[in-house]
Amino acid sequence: GDSVTQMEGPVTLSEEAFLTINCTYTATGYPSLFWYVQYPGEGLQLLLKATKADDKGSNKGFEATYRKETTSFHLEKGSVQVSDSAVYFCALTEGTSYDKVIFGPGTSLSVIP
Amino acid sequence: EAQVTQNPRYLITVTGKKLTVTCSQNMNHEYMSWYRQDPGLGLRQIYYSMNVEVTDKGDVPEGYKVSRKEKRNFPLILESPSPNQTSLYFCASRQTGGGTYEQYFGPGTRLTVT
Repeated sequence: GDSVTQMEGPVTLSEEAFLTINCTYTATGYPSLFWYVQYPGEGLQLLLKATKADDKGSNKGFEATYRKETTSFHLEKGSVQVSDSAVYFCALTEGTSYDKVIFGPGTSLSVIP
Repeated sequence: EAQVTQNPRYLITVTGKKLTVTCSQNMNHEYMSWYRQDPGLGLRQIYYSMNVEVTDKGDVPEGYKVSRKEKRNFPLILESPSPNQTSLYFCASRQTGGGTYEQYFGPGTRLTVT
């Protein structure tokens, strides 16, 4: 079945460092891809999405490009801030029925001043 | 304000005592879903509903029940909770009509079963 793999971390970075969180997927059909962020004590919220190959999603300085050839959707940010400390989840909706959403295990990010 | 609400936020109970976690959304979404979040496992889908009176199993439905009698509400029922159901639970909703719509999540319910 469809699945999502991402680096689990925890990842610790200094403020203003470059961030990459890797995400790869296996899927049938044509899934949509998402990054969700979970701040401490809160529910998940959408960070960005891409719905077809070569689409780039972006929000709050974060970017991710839907790479069908490498089945990847890596999250990047050029300069992280302390306020970016959170857990990041890569996810996809199944490319056939769209009924189910499959999440990766999450990557915990801590940014230190 | 568009939101998904869950109650209670925290619950400690004993094995075998039936409980219900409520979920309500005010966005007129057709699709609603329940997830559990466990360390190292991410979010796993328990049940989902595409519309009123339409529910289906997710990846980990054992020990849970749901109902969808109204569009806005999607309660999660644990008939006989067990300690392995100790977890953080999230309800979510979204529009239907394709896989591109984002999900809106509630704030979570932390359940402890002793």
